[in-house]
Formats: sequence, structure tokens, C-alpha cells
Amino acid sequence: GDSVVQTEGQVLPSEGDSLIVNCSYETTQYPSLFWYVQYPGEGPQLHLKAMKANDKGRNKGFEAMYRKETTSFHLEKDSVQESDSAVYFCALMDTGRRALTFGSGTRLQVQP
Amino acid sequence: NAGVTQTPKFQVLKTGQSMTLQCAQDMNHNSMYWYRQDPGMGLRLIYYSASEGTTDKGEVPNGYNVSRLNKREFSLRLESAAPSQTSVYFCASSEGLAGAYEQYFGPGTRLTVT
Repeated sequence: GDSVVQTEGQVLPSEGDSLIVNCSYETTQYPSLFWYVQYPGEGPQLHLKAMKANDKGRNKGFEAMYRKETTSFHLEKDSVQESDSAVYFCALMDTGRRALTFGSGTRLQVQP
Repeated sequence: NAGVTQTPKFQVLKTGQSMTLQCAQDMNHNSMYWYRQDPGMGLRLIYYSASEGTTDKGEVPNGYNVSRLNKREFSLRLESAAPSQTSVYFCASSEGLAGAYEQYFGPGTRLTVT
């Protein structure tokens, strides 16, 4: 079945640091890929998406490139801010499936 | 526009009790979903409804039932709660099932089963 792996449970950069949050996926189909963000006490919300290989999703200075050759969709930002602190979930949706498959999430806590 | 609303926000049940979690959306979306979120495991799909009148099992349906009451409302029922069902439950909706449609999530219901 489909799976999404996020290797870091938590990352603790300082404000102004660059960021990479890893996401790898396994599927036999041609998925769409997503990053969702969740703030405390709220449900997840869509952060960015890429619908096919070599697409790049962008939002609020974050980027993620859909890399089919390495089955990855890493989330990157050049300079993080305290307000970026949240839990970030990588997710995929296969063409043949009906709902999202989520990774386990990465808590981003930006230090002032 | 309230988006996706869920009631209650918090609930404590004893083992064996039953309850229904309510979800409603005001975006005229066709598809609705129930997920559970457990620490270190992300969100897992319990049931979904592609359109009014249809429901299907997701990844973890055991111990749950759902009803798509109308286009707006999608409820999740626990007939006999177990401690393993302690979790945060999220309802979501989207225009359709394809990956092109964004899913909108409610604020969640935090359920504890003792």
C-alpha cells in the first residue's frame, strides 16, 4: 500500500536558519503530493501541493519539489521565522484512491 | 462561512459507552471524511463519503459506523467505546475525491475513553 515517511519528529532551528524537512513516499501509482500544516488546537490546513513530477509547490516562502526519481517531496525554506512554528504533515493521494495518506508529522519549533 | 464544524470539542467516555461525533460543512462540498490522529502516527482515514448517500471504509474502520445524513452532515458513531479509541478525531470535506481538490478540516474532537 501507499506510505509516507517523515524521518524527523521534531526540528529546532533558530530564527533565520534555513530549513529542510524530509518526506519520502512509496506508491505504485502516480500520486499528487501535499504538505499540510497544523497549528495548536486546529485541524490541518493545506500548505502547498504538487500535482505531478517536477512540479514545485510554493507558499509563504516554503517550497517543495516533486521528485519522482528519488520519490521525495522535501519541504524547504531559506529563512524560518518564529511564526512558522507548527506541525507539518507530508501527504499523498493516488489516482486510484479516495483520500489522503499522511506521514507521521514533523514538529517545527523555531527558536527566537 | 463557518467551513467545517465539529461537536463536541472534548468528550470523556467510559469503556462500553456509545456516542456520536457530529460534523457539518457549509461549503456545498460533495465528499466528506473522518480521520483519527494519534501521536507519532499522523492522520488515518476511518471512513469517507464520496457523495450524499454513499459511504466507504478507510484504513481503520473497525469499531466505528458513519452516516451521511445529507450533503452537509456526516456523523461518526462509536457503538461501544474502547480505550484504543482515545484519539483526536477530525472531519474534513472537499469538492470531490480527486487529488486536485483541497480537503478542509474541522477543529477536531478530543476523545478520551477510560
